[in-house]
Amino acid sequence: SQQGEEDPQALSIQEGENATMNCSYKTSINNLQWYRQNSGRGLVHLILIRSNEREKHSGRLRVTLDTSKKSSSLLITASRAADTASYFCATDDSGGSNYKLTFGKGTLLTVNP
Amino acid sequence: DAGITQSPRHKVTETGTPVTLRCHQTENHRYMYWYRQDPGHGLRLIHYSYGVKDTDKGEVSDGYSVSRSKTEDFLLTLESATSSQTSVYFCAISQLAGAYEQYFGPGTRLTVT
Repeated sequence: SQQGEEDPQALSIQEGENATMNCSYKTSINNLQWYRQNSGRGLVHLILIRSNEREKHSGRLRVTLDTSKKSSSLLITASRAADTASYFCATDDSGGSNYKLTFGKGTLLTVNP
Repeated sequence: DAGITQSPRHKVTETGTPVTLRCHQTENHRYMYWYRQDPGHGLRLIHYSYGVKDTDKGEVSDGYSVSRSKTEDFLLTLESATSSQTSVYFCAISQLAGAYEQYFGPGTRLTVT
């Protein structure tokens, strides 16, 4: 079963605008990760936030985590056409196997020039 | 792509034939994973390995087997391919257990006719 679920499924914005994607999950976690996938390529790790962190920044990326609501958001500021991709959240299960990540179905972001 | 290759990159095969996909890494990472990616389902874990000859099942393991005889190679075998196994298959590696950053290969597009 899916652990993480992204919202929205698709998002279309203009270059320069900010893009926000959300992820909800079901079980307690140790950490949550965000990945990007360009069309026809493998996933690329963007950022990891631990369960005891509330916010983390990396360049134009800002991730928040609310463990009480079991949700996370990924904000991409000043978007570029090159940010066009699918974005996935991935979680572990602190009560289950330590080996596995479970991925959501992704948000398709289109940044129009 | 972090020293991960997958072969073949594309394959078309007939129902009932055996198929083996290969994942090769040059990073000496302990953990290796096989995922399949399908529209509407996101990324789902098939099998994973936590060391040479140590493997375990993932979420969608029926119809698949794996082997890992050396650190750098992780093989995924479809004993008798079915049309439902048409998918894009990704291999991933990680230095630490699955709750940490994973590096993905470029994917193999498999079509079963």
